Amino acid sequence: ETGVTQTPRHLVMGMTNKKSLKCEQHLGHNAMYWYKQSAKKPLELMFVYNFKEQTENNSVPSRFSPECPNSSHLFLHLHTLQPEDSALYLCASSQGGLAGETQYFGPGTRLLVL
Amino acid sequence: AQKVTQAQTEISVVEKEDVTLDCVYETRDTTYYLFWYKQPPSGELVFLIRRNSFDEQNEISGRYSWNFQKSTSSFNFTITASQVVDSAVYFCAAIGGGSEKLVFGKGTKLTVNP
Repeated sequence: ETGVTQTPRHLVMGMTNKKSLKCEQHLGHNAMYWYKQSAKKPLELMFVYNFKEQTENNSVPSRFSPECPNSSHLFLHLHTLQPEDSALYLCASSQGGLAGETQYFGPGTRLLVL
Repeated sequence: AQKVTQAQTEISVVEKEDVTLDCVYETRDTTYYLFWYKQPPSGELVFLIRRNSFDEQNEISGRYSWNFQKSTSSFNFTITASQVVDSAVYFCAAIGGGSEKLVFGKGTKLTVNP
């Protein structure tokens, strides 16, 4: 595997379900990000982790819970989501610690909340 | 904070035509970085280019070229002799020198017809 991978690629869940999105990067990076991409809205940064520490929470509702056990893995735990949470969730990584770093993105998880 | 405007929502061209995608940014930072990403229908954001605010030299990579003009706060992207495979949504993005928040424009959907 190379680059940034995300699983699952597609997910359908009910509002009472609990699920997790997984992201793994094989680039030796130390910073990882979650973004949300809704229809007709700009990409929204959700969370940033640098060297496993959360450094940004962009006012994300608590029904989204990130976890970064090490620099290569990032999870997004989902519970009691709403239909408006349906979106493409993108993970990215960057080197970490440098200004204006390039972020490399995974293929995304397309989430549908029923 | 940065703001990125991509005024063109959708562009449609015929193969082999040249096409320019516009990007205008706003920032109060003296040091900042600008990016272009391509998002094909598969969903993954593909990194195309990164420029810093101190380097106004235009860049060419194959059929792609970028024109960075600080005087007009623009970072436009030109595809020469477009091909059907260029069909995608293209995003311009900016980040300040001391920030972790990459701010995206709303994207321009490019359709190249055979």
